[in-house]
Amino acid sequence: AQSVTQLDSQVPVFEEAPVELRCNYSSSVSVYLFWYVQYPNQGLQLLLKYLSGSTLVKGINGFEAEFNKSQTSFHLRKPSVHISDTAEYFCAADFGRHTGFQKLVFGTGTRLLVSP
Amino acid sequence: DARVTQTPRHKVTEMGQEVTMRCQPILGHNTVFWYRQTMMQGLELLAYFRNRAPLDDSGMPKDRFSAEMPDATLATLKIQPSEPRDSAVYFCASGTTENYGYTFGSGTRLTVV
Repeated sequence: AQSVTQLDSQVPVFEEAPVELRCNYSSSVSVYLFWYVQYPNQGLQLLLKYLSGSTLVKGINGFEAEFNKSQTSFHLRKPSVHISDTAEYFCAADFGRHTGFQKLVFGTGTRLLVSP
Repeated sequence: DARVTQTPRHKVTEMGQEVTMRCQPILGHNTVFWYRQTMMQGLELLAYFRNRAPLDDSGMPKDRFSAEMPDATLATLKIQPSEPRDSAVYFCASGTTENYGYTFGSGTRLTVV
């Protein structure tokens, strides 16, 4: 079955520390991968996406993610977090890249809690 | 910045009433999605339109939910009759088939009492 797994429901971290949010997907075909951020009472904002090419993808707000095909992972990283990064982060995959049938499947989300 | 506009932002209604949520996708976007977000189920895809044609609504309870795109600037999601279990945040998102990375609206928070 095609699915996206975010194993960590919550990640607490201190300000200026590095962080990694984990995402794994399950698929027998190639996928497009995305990370979205959701601030309280807001919609989802695209952080970055992997479609093809370089496996290291840089996004907004200093975030980056690395696509690892052998591990079927797409972990999100930031070298130094800020209080303002506190939010819910969603990993998503589009399993329809070969059919053109776009259908984003989301993980359950990881709440990043940044404290002073 | 171009935005996806959803109305209303909040809706409280009584069980059994009809609810209509509206979405204005970004001009030029030919793909529109409706998602529902709850604590228990997370983000669920309800419906998916391309060039105004419904391509997938398998995630939608057919007996009470309906989704339409009467024109390229408006997508609607209706619930009739509404039930307390429909309480959730409903998001609309739009994009193009050429540029992946969908833009989400701010959502409609629906409470059915």
